[in-house]
Amino acid sequence: DTGVSQNPRHKITKRGQNVTFRCDPISEHNRLYWYRQTLGQGPEFLTYFQNEAQLEKSRLLSDRFSAERPKGSFSTLEIQRTEQGDSAMYLCASSFGLAGARTDTQYFGPGTRLTVL
Amino acid sequence: AQSVSQHNHHVILSEAASLELGCNYSYGGTVNLFWYVQYPGQHLQLLLKYFSGDPLVKGIKGFEAEFIKSKFSFNLRKPSVQWSDTAEYFCAVNPTDKLIFGTGTRLQVFP
Repeated sequence: DTGVSQNPRHKITKRGQNVTFRCDPISEHNRLYWYRQTLGQGPEFLTYFQNEAQLEKSRLLSDRFSAERPKGSFSTLEIQRTEQGDSAMYLCASSFGLAGARTDTQYFGPGTRLTVL
Repeated sequence: AQSVSQHNHHVILSEAASLELGCNYSYGGTVNLFWYVQYPGQHLQLLLKYFSGDPLVKGIKGFEAEFIKSKFSFNLRKPSVQWSDTAEYFCAVNPTDKLIFGTGTRLQVFP
């Protein structure tokens, strides 16, 4: 399978615990995006990387959230001290984008469903 | 603020009926427009996209969408739906590199 993969697919945790999600993009894609989707809503942008550089972070991304893409390949999203409001589907997408262009198409992974008890 | 509106939250149709899902966006500059579909238990998939050129865009599975700049709209259409089109449909725009999604339209098609 050459699509975007995400692990784990499901994560149940207790409030206050830290969790980390991983995203493996399509191999030749230089851009990687994180979105969050709650029930009845469309995905909301969290952050994105061009290669290893984190170019934009949403105001939705509190200080408890951190994302990395250390070698410009896979990415991790960590949530510290989880809260019940963090329960959501966390989606990763990747694309190949040229600098200054917005004509890339984002391909989404299956998501990681987080439940905070 | 930039936003995308999908006014039809839940649409129920019989097979062979025609479909039109509305999408309006609020952004004055150049945008690219997308429709994504999420079938039950599956991840988001691209249905079609508009970057430039012919405002009538054809996508997979017989879907098409028309970009009307003066109305800030990008409505999705299909002349005859099938039971397998049951899914959630999301309209999205990217005024910058990120995508801004609407809240989605849940389509149920009954045989």
